[in-house]
Amino acid sequence: QVQLVESGGSVVQPGRSLRLSCVASGLTFSSHGMHWVRQAPGRGLEWVAGIDFDGRRQYYVDSVRGRFTISRDDSKNTLYLHMSSPRAEDTAVYYCAKDRSLGSFDSWGQGTLVTVSS
Amino acid sequence: QSVVTQPPSASGTPGQRVTISCSGSSSNIGSHTVDWYQQLPGTAPKLVIYSSNQRPSGVPDRFSGSKSGTSASLAISGLQFEDEADYYCGAWDDSLNGVVFGGGTKLTVL
Repeated sequence: QVQLVESGGSVVQPGRSLRLSCVASGLTFSSHGMHWVRQAPGRGLEWVAGIDFDGRRQYYVDSVRGRFTISRDDSKNTLYLHMSSPRAEDTAVYYCAKDRSLGSFDSWGQGTLVTVSS
Repeated sequence: QSVVTQPPSASGTPGQRVTISCSGSSSNIGSHTVDWYQQLPGTAPKLVIYSSNQRPSGVPDRFSGSKSGTSASLAISGLQFEDEADYYCGAWDDSLNGVVFGGGTKLTVL
């Protein structure tokens, strides 16, 4: 079965960079779009970014566009989220999710916690 | 504030049928299918309905979904204590060029 394992979450100071990773197994990774979804403490789900199966197109929520970059390395079955200039409001659990079709997520990782604090 | 609206809470007793609504606009639910996710406390979300009314393998047939115009709903019949969770609807939004989620509905089984 599909398994997604995120890593890289930590406490980071505002303005410093952080890179999240998501290693996928049990699927043909290069055939699927992938996404990052986050959940702030006690809050609902918020879609953050997505990337097409071939990496040609990336999509971002307005609040992170220009600061975060989603990318993928199909040779390593790995999805990334590079977070530049994080802000306190970026504090959340970040989930990696597999795209079934146009933003429909049929597999999720367990999440990795990012805390932005000085 | 979400562009897709759900009631913050819902409740029912074991065996009852409950419905959760999801209201959007022409750029999201009005143009695309809707998905529903169940999030049990302390766990990752799980897809329970996709394409507005389809159940993934392994999801009980007590769960059903429907869509009409710019609104959708999730129905759970024969409610069980294990159904107590947060439920989110989601859909692609053409104006935002991304996915929008409802604010979530906390389902309590009394």
